[in-house]
Amino acid sequence: AQRVTQPEKLLSVFKGAPVELKCNYSYSGSPELFWYVQYSRQRLQLLLRHISRESIKGFTADLNKGETSFHLKKPFAQEEDSAMYYCALGNTGKLIFGQGTTLQVKP
Amino acid sequence: DTAVSQTPKYLVTQMGNDKSIKCEQNLGHDTMYWYKQDSKKFLKIMFSYNNKELIINETVPNRFSPKSPDKAHLNLHINSLELGDSAVYFCASSPRVLAGSYNEQFFGPGTRLTVL
Repeated sequence: AQRVTQPEKLLSVFKGAPVELKCNYSYSGSPELFWYVQYSRQRLQLLLRHISRESIKGFTADLNKGETSFHLKKPFAQEEDSAMYYCALGNTGKLIFGQGTTLQVKP
Repeated sequence: DTAVSQTPKYLVTQMGNDKSIKCEQNLGHDTMYWYKQDSKKFLKIMFSYNNKELIINETVPNRFSPKSPDKAHLNLHINSLELGDSAVYFCASSPRVLAGSYNEQFFGPGTRLTVL
């Protein structure tokens, strides 16, 4: 069955520290993976997608098919990065979301 | 303002009542979705419509009935509300989904439904 797992419900780091939000997926075909972010009192929005291979707001994510992972990384966290992050898998016209990880960046 | 909008933002009602949530997008998208976010923040798709046609219906109780009068609107009607229906419901839209590829989904602000 297709599944997305984000093992950490909450990740708390200090400003300037590196951040890695973990995402593992289960999918038999060629996956399309995304990271969505929801800042406080804002709507859910796309942060990045694996096919773009781009860096958004300093975040990157590399698809590792061997480990079936799509971890989100940023070398130096900023306070404005505090938000809820969802990893999502595209499958037959729908998105399957992970449970979400709340990132808290402390000053 | 170009966006996905939902009404109402908050909905508090008694068990057994029937209620509707409305969604509109002015992005010119063909595909619209309803998602449910439970108390643990888990986000799960419920329905998807492409140009007024139902294309995804995830094992949702038939008390939930989506209606798409045109491709810019996707409303969600819920009959005989139960305590377990309390959640935040998100509407989303995307350009036409092509086979083998995915477009970005644009989300509404959510409707917080509380069933007492």
